[in-house]
Amino acid sequence: QQQVKQSPQSLIVQKGGISIINCAYENTAFDYFPWYQQFPGKGPALLIAIRPDVSEKKEGRFTISFNKSAKQFSLHIMDSQPGDSATYFCAARTLYNFNKFYFGSGTKLNVKP
Amino acid sequence: DTGVSQNPRHKITKRGQNVTFRCDPISEHNRLYWYRQTLGQGPEFLTYFQNEAQLEKSRLLSDRFSAERPKGSFSTLEIQRTEQGDSAMYLCASSPLTGGHNEKLFFGSGTQLSVL
Repeated sequence: QQQVKQSPQSLIVQKGGISIINCAYENTAFDYFPWYQQFPGKGPALLIAIRPDVSEKKEGRFTISFNKSAKQFSLHIMDSQPGDSATYFCAARTLYNFNKFYFGSGTKLNVKP
Repeated sequence: DTGVSQNPRHKITKRGQNVTFRCDPISEHNRLYWYRQTLGQGPEFLTYFQNEAQLEKSRLLSDRFSAERPKGSFSTLEIQRTEQGDSAMYLCASSPLTGGHNEKLFFGSGTQLSVL
């Protein structure tokens, strides 16, 4: 049973456009929600993360929007660039077992020049 | 910070053989994790060490899998009597013991296992 559901599976965006990736969860004990970026042949790397006490977090062109009541969160990549082409994973972790992360199934983003 | 190092990068083995992977975490990191990633899926948690103590194991980790972290430095993951279903990318990650809850995992590039 997947603890974090991610969509879409793949996404094609034109350069300069906005990329939006969505995740949903059921476990209300989740209290930390990171996004990881993975390039082919590499391990995932932390991109940005949010705690449920805020509704939005922005770092450069990357923004997480968090809707606690809907149990959904999303990653927005503004002014998408070809270098952003990668697979993106959302993840979640509970406070009482903060060493165990549950990852979504990933979104493969292709930004066309 | 030289990053998390995993060896080998690729391993091809025949079904029934034993394989061992090695992970060298970032030197000052106390916590070490093993995850497994299959094609088109996100990483799945396998096990976690704090220093040399293995504090948690996933139910995904059958008795054919064993992990060690002697002296709290590098770690090894051994799979005995490999099966075709074990084919996956095995990722190691480490993180510092910061005392906070905003855990940042530093992943290695993984070991890609193919069981024929």
